[in-house]
Amino acid sequence: GESVGLHLPTLSVQEGDNSIINCAYSNSASDYFIWYKQESGKGPQFIIDIRSNMDKRQGQRVTVLLNKTVKHLSLQIAATQPGDSAVYFCAENMKPGGSYIPTFGRGTSLIVHP
Amino acid sequence: EAGVAQSPRYKIIEKRQSVAFWCNPISGHATLYWYQQILGQGPKLLIQFQNNGVVDDSQLPKDRFSAERLKGVDSTLKIQPAKLEDSAVYLCASSPGQGNTIYFGEGSWLTVV
Repeated sequence: GESVGLHLPTLSVQEGDNSIINCAYSNSASDYFIWYKQESGKGPQFIIDIRSNMDKRQGQRVTVLLNKTVKHLSLQIAATQPGDSAVYFCAENMKPGGSYIPTFGRGTSLIVHP
Repeated sequence: EAGVAQSPRYKIIEKRQSVAFWCNPISGHATLYWYQQILGQGPKLLIQFQNNGVVDDSQLPKDRFSAERLKGVDSTLKIQPAKLEDSAVYLCASSPGQGNTIYFGEGSWLTVV
């Protein structure tokens, strides 16, 4: 079964609000995590990543937080814009047999209302 | 820098027919992935190559799916014979190496009727 899951399948926000998308992972040995954005009809697009030796990483309008104690990731989007509407996936790099296996969760649909 | 290229973008076939998808990864990327994404779900890894060797194909239905990366650059994914449940987007991705950021192509949309 999947080891990466998302708490909320759909998140609706108003333009200008901050958005928080959560993700749980089950493999404590995973050491690399990536957030992707997927717009309708397109492939997943890299947003931001974080390695397990970090708790927080910031990009342009996005922040990823990693809590290894509870095996939880979150993606924070500041001042959400209509163009942020998409499905967001977290992925973990599992290493069950010595090789990295990137594994995706189901995704959260973010809907931004103007 | 050119991204991951995939073709065809769209394909409609009847069940029991065959189909092949092609992928050209980002130049210099050693690791290549094929994912299957069914509508409403996250991508599921089918096969991972490191250069021309298979790293993981544990979720590839080997009775009908095959993939190759003979020269360690581009790759093909074949389905024969197709089933209705194979209707999905087939995403190719590449990365400089394992444990690095993965970059996706736009996908090949397959409908089996």
